[in-house]
Amino acid sequence: DAMVIQNPRYQVTQFGKPVTLSCSQTLNHNVMYWYQQKSSQAPKLLFHYYDKDFNNEADTPDNFQSRRPNTSFCFLDIRSPGLGDAAMYLCATSRIRQGIEAFFGQGTRLTVV
Amino acid sequence: AQSVTQPDIHITVSEGASLELRCNYSYGATPYLFWYVQSPGQGLQLLLKYFSGDTLVQGIKGFEAEFKRSQSSFNLRKPSVHWSDAAEYFCAVEGDFGNEKLTFGTGTRLTIIP
Repeated sequence: DAMVIQNPRYQVTQFGKPVTLSCSQTLNHNVMYWYQQKSSQAPKLLFHYYDKDFNNEADTPDNFQSRRPNTSFCFLDIRSPGLGDAAMYLCATSRIRQGIEAFFGQGTRLTVV
Repeated sequence: AQSVTQPDIHITVSEGASLELRCNYSYGATPYLFWYVQSPGQGLQLLLKYFSGDTLVQGIKGFEAEFKRSQSSFNLRKPSVHWSDAAEYFCAVEGDFGNEKLTFGTGTRLTIIP
């Protein structure tokens, strides 16, 4: 059974048109992460939530926003996608420092046309 | 803030040969350390993890890793690689409360030759 679910798996959006990616979890984990992964590169942390506390990475562009309305759901909003934002976006969840690993979703591949 | 260094961008190994992938971390306290593997077009799969206790940890697919605090290292090993092990390998470190993020190294691409 999938525990971290990302929707959609593939998203095509137009240049400059806002897009939202979603992530849901059934694990009741208190930490949720959003990563951007471009081809042949490591996952790059965009931001994470520890419970309701939002933590933005210093180099995450303002174009990227996130919402976590409750424990189970987290959204990634890209306000004005550029061609450089085409990537795989990975959501992960964890219970920090409790001896378990982060669980990753299958990712959403974003194409900007 | 924590960081992870994987000094080898690309490693080529013959099938059946032994493998060691290097990982060095920087973190002030006791780190939580992970190795993930990613095949092309696939998601991240956990190979193994270290939190505490025995410094030699066993993972899936015949992999193991050894935590060496004195060297700030967590190297991944396998005694005999299989062609199916060809993939990208990422080392990652988790911080402590107040710095609770999972940070990845840049990855090592493993190629297996017959």
